Amino acid sequence: SQQGEEDPQALSIQEGENATMNCSYKTSINNLQWYRQNSGRGLVHLILIRSNEREKHSGRLRVTLDTSKKSSSLLITASRAADTASYFCATDGGKLIFGQGTELSVKP
Amino acid sequence: DAEITQSPRHKITETGRQVTLACHQTWNHNNMFWYRQDLGHGLRLIHYSYGVQDTNKGEVSDGYSVSRSNTEDLPLTLESAASSQTSVYFCASSDGYNEQFFGPGTRLTVL
Repeated sequence: SQQGEEDPQALSIQEGENATMNCSYKTSINNLQWYRQNSGRGLVHLILIRSNEREKHSGRLRVTLDTSKKSSSLLITASRAADTASYFCATDGGKLIFGQGTELSVKP
Repeated sequence: DAEITQSPRHKITETGRQVTLACHQTWNHNNMFWYRQDLGHGLRLIHYSYGVQDTNKGEVSDGYSVSRSNTEDLPLTLESAASSQTSVYFCASSDGYNEQFFGPGTRLTVL
């Protein structure tokens, strides 16, 4: 059974806009991670937020975690065409459980 | 530079044949994982290992086996390939509760 559920399943925006993806999960976690996958490639780790953290930044990425609501969000600011990819959240309660991903399309 | 590699990158086989997918990492990570990725299902965990001689079943382990004889390698074997095992397979490794590093994937087609 999937732990993380992403929303929306697909998102299409214009270059320069912000993209927000949400993830909900069901059980307690040690940390939550976000990964990116370009078409036909393996997953690449973007950011990890631990269960005792509420917000984390990395470049144009901002991740929030609300353990009381069992939810997380990934914000990509000032998106670029090169950000087009699938984004997955993964919850770590001992082993990673991935959601089904959000397919982001950034149009130039 | 440390890396994680998978071979072959593409494989076509017939129903009933035994297939082994290789995964090799030079990160010196204790933890290694095998996932399959199918449209509509995201990534699902097949088997994982927390160290030499340690193997564990994941969410979708039926029809698959792994063995861990050294730190660097975790081969995945399909004992008798079935069409339902047509998928893209990813290997990953990690050090504790940290990020996982993924290989490039193996696209397997079972005819």
